[in-house]
Amino acid sequence: AQKVTQAQTEISVVEKEDVTLDCVYETRDTTYYLFWYKQPPSGELVFLIRRNSFDEQNEISGRYSWNFQKSTSSFNFTITASQVVDSAVYFCALSEAQGGSEKLVFGKGTKLTVNP
Amino acid sequence: EPEVTQTPSHQVTQMGQEVILRCVPISNHLYFYWYRQILGQKVEFLVSFYNNEISEKSEIFDDQFSVERPDGSNFTLKIRSTKLEDSAMYFCASSDHIGPAAEKLLFGSGTQLSVL
Repeated sequence: AQKVTQAQTEISVVEKEDVTLDCVYETRDTTYYLFWYKQPPSGELVFLIRRNSFDEQNEISGRYSWNFQKSTSSFNFTITASQVVDSAVYFCALSEAQGGSEKLVFGKGTKLTVNP
Repeated sequence: EPEVTQTPSHQVTQMGQEVILRCVPISNHLYFYWYRQILGQKVEFLVSFYNNEISEKSEIFDDQFSVERPDGSNFTLKIRSTKLEDSAMYFCASSDHIGPAAEKLLFGSGTQLSVL
């Protein structure tokens, strides 16, 4: 069965610090997809990244970077030089596209608070 | 960027009443989903819809729930007889592909359902 574990329930940092959010997943499939979403206090789910299991290259987008390591089944997310606007709950998710569906299994989320 | 639109943003109803939550997915998308998030908990998959039929559903999606795409643009979730435990944020999502061809799975801003 698929499972996503975000062991960090809450993290608090001071502005400009770097912060890494951990995500560990379990799946029996060789083809799968990993996601990160941001949920600000307003409640919407903001798409950040989708990565397929065959692409282990790390990705950088501005202050955001992602480290995908199949050997440890991890897909960690780092925010460099954090800002107050980064305060949100961040969800990691896993899917195995099959049939006519790409159902996501979410982790419980990590609440990030960035203090000025 | 195109958005998934959900209405209403808030819905209050009495236990036992029927509610319909509405979504307008992105116009060229083909795969549609409903998820829910009970307050303070993780996001849970309810149902996926493709080619005018349900492609996958979770255990949560029992006979009280139904989905419909009544025209070319709307995608609705109906709860026939609401229960207190149906109180949650309901998210609609859509994508243009699944599997390797997909790039994103975009969510709407959600409908907060409160059952009294």
